[in-house]
Amino acid sequence: EVQLVESGGGLVQPGGSLRLSCAASGFTFSDYYMDWVRQAPGKGLEWVGRCRNKANSYTTEYAASVKGRFSVSRDDSENSVYLQMSSLKSEDTAVYFCVRIGLGITIDYWGLGALVIVSS
Amino acid sequence: DIQLTQSPSILSASVGDRVTITCRASQAINSCLAWHQQKPGKAPNLLISAASTLHSGVPSRFSGSGSGTEFTLTISSLQPEDFATYYCQQCKSYPLTFGQGTRLESK
Repeated sequence: EVQLVESGGGLVQPGGSLRLSCAASGFTFSDYYMDWVRQAPGKGLEWVGRCRNKANSYTTEYAASVKGRFSVSRDDSENSVYLQMSSLKSEDTAVYFCVRIGLGITIDYWGLGALVIVSS
Repeated sequence: DIQLTQSPSILSASVGDRVTITCRASQAINSCLAWHQQKPGKAPNLLISAASTLHSGVPSRFSGSGSGTEFTLTISSLQPEDFATYYCQQCKSYPLTFGQGTRLESK
């Protein structure tokens, strides 16, 4: 069974930094791209970024709203993907979901989510 | 960016009804479209990928169709557990984008 479990959420001040982790299990982690998607309170879904697999040189993609501030990385030995967030703004307040990109190139599994609140 | 517009934004229906949600893309995306279901306070779950492929474990009352710029999600006979918000999502190009969501509520 595919499982994705995020951790590291919490309250952070504007301008601060936070790192989210996502622990994966139930599949061969190293084969898959991994993404992050977020959802602001009461709002829709927004794609944040991607880390491709080793076969694709671990290259990354980002939404314009977070480019230069957020970084997605992974550790295949730990079956984990990370979202490093810096220069946080109030508009980054959201639940952050770790998602797997299936071999059909779309999101096929979602994590439970981690809440990040950016507030003074 | 590719914009996805869902209609309607809110849909009122009853158990047993056949319901259809439409997703229109601002440019052609072939069949690179998925549908996700989200219940309040929960993570979304994939229902359909590649416009019409049912994800493992998803009931057969769900179906998807379309290609290019117009897509539909159909629930053939609405069940109580289907009241939720539905999102379409394109995978054709970066950034990945989602529709604004369709909230399916009980009439």
